[in-house]
Amino acid sequence: DVKVTQSSRYLVKRTGEKVFLECVQDMDHENMFWYRQDPGLGLRLIYFSYDVKMKEKGDIPEGYSVSREKKERFSLILESASTNQTSMYLCASSSYVEAFFGQGTRLTVV
Amino acid sequence: AQTVTQSQPEMSVQEAETVTLSCTYDTSESDYYLFWYKQPPSRQMILVIRQEAYKQQNATENRFSVNFQKAAKSFSLKISDSQLGDAAMYFCAYRSWGSGTYKYIFGTGTRLKVLA
Repeated sequence: DVKVTQSSRYLVKRTGEKVFLECVQDMDHENMFWYRQDPGLGLRLIYFSYDVKMKEKGDIPEGYSVSREKKERFSLILESASTNQTSMYLCASSSYVEAFFGQGTRLTVV
Repeated sequence: AQTVTQSQPEMSVQEAETVTLSCTYDTSESDYYLFWYKQPPSRQMILVIRQEAYKQQNATENRFSVNFQKAAKSFSLKISDSQLGDAAMYFCAYRSWGSGTYKYIFGTGTRLKVLA
């Protein structure tokens, strides 16, 4: 069965902390994505990766970076967390057609 | 750049009735994929149905069907015989054709309430 696993369902961090959100997929997919979900705004793409060590900015990359050292793992990094980064974060990986999603991480920055 | 628009933030339907969720999109591409994803309260996004743009026939998956109007750039989802378990956020999404580098573009979502 297809699986995308995010390391935490809920996370509370302090302003200014460096935050790592981890995502692992077991499907040998080339493409992986990080989205941010906010009410009324839908899913907005932060970064995506089409191969190991390859990445491209999405629509809202400011304040974020990513790392993909291994094919199965795609990490989202908040360099210095701010309260406006409080949100739901969704990781996805993709076969040739559809995207498969993790269960989401609800991040609160206080 | 491609965009996806869902103009209904919230919809309600009586159990066993039929409801249609609307989605429009904008693209200059001729080949692409369209999807409807469901996000229940558990937050796990699940693919409901997909449509390849080159296919004229509308996709159907059990109680779920789409009305794909390529010229009008419209992609609505019809849910027949609505069930309580259909209550969720529904997202329409677009993806360019082909392999290699691509991304999924989502609408803002429609919250569907199912009334018993």
